[in-house]
Amino acid sequence: QKEVEQNSGPLSVPEGAIASLNCTYSDRGSQSFFWYRQYSGKSPELIMFIYSNGDKEDGRFTAQLNKASQYVSLLIRDSQPSDSATYLCAGFEAGNTPLVFGKGTRLSVIA
Amino acid sequence: DGGITQSPKYLFRKEGQNVTLSCEQNLNHDAMYWYRQDPGQGLRLIYYSQIVNDFQKGDIAEGYSVSREKKESFPLTVTSAQKNPTAFYLCASSMTSGSRETHSDTQYFGPGTRLTVL
Repeated sequence: QKEVEQNSGPLSVPEGAIASLNCTYSDRGSQSFFWYRQYSGKSPELIMFIYSNGDKEDGRFTAQLNKASQYVSLLIRDSQPSDSATYLCAGFEAGNTPLVFGKGTRLSVIA
Repeated sequence: DGGITQSPKYLFRKEGQNVTLSCEQNLNHDAMYWYRQDPGQGLRLIYYSQIVNDFQKGDIAEGYSVSREKKESFPLTVTSAQKNPTAFYLCASSMTSGSRETHSDTQYFGPGTRLTVL
């Protein structure tokens, strides 16, 4: 069974620091990965996706993909208390199937 | 105003009752999905549909049923056979499903329905 693994946390960082969220996946055929943010009691919202090895930046967010190590991460620079949420990583299984989601990492940014 | 709508926002069910959760999208997306989320847990796939009049079971389909008679709509029925239905139910849609290296697979979520069994 294809899996996406995340540390459940909580990950606590001080305001203004860099938060680093990590995700590993079991399917070497997986090509694309997605990061979602979910506030408590709300539905997930897309932050960004990445499909090429290397880094992809969008504002304060940087996604990093290392296919050789089967590892994807999300960096949040200048973390704010409003970034406190659960972050879900998702990737493709091989073949014509839906995204596979990790269980999420809870981030707490301390003011 | 494009998007995905789910209704109701909160739903209470007595044991032994079937209930139907609504999911509608006006994004012209082909694929739609239903997930269940329990407190402190990730998303678990119940059913998904890639085209009208076709759907597939996900990881936890037992006790649930769906239909896809229209592209815009993918209702989920929670039957009395589902032993522990209290959860947060999320509907999502994407332009296509499972095509690697095409970002039309990005899933967008509705606001969710919180179901409680009394």
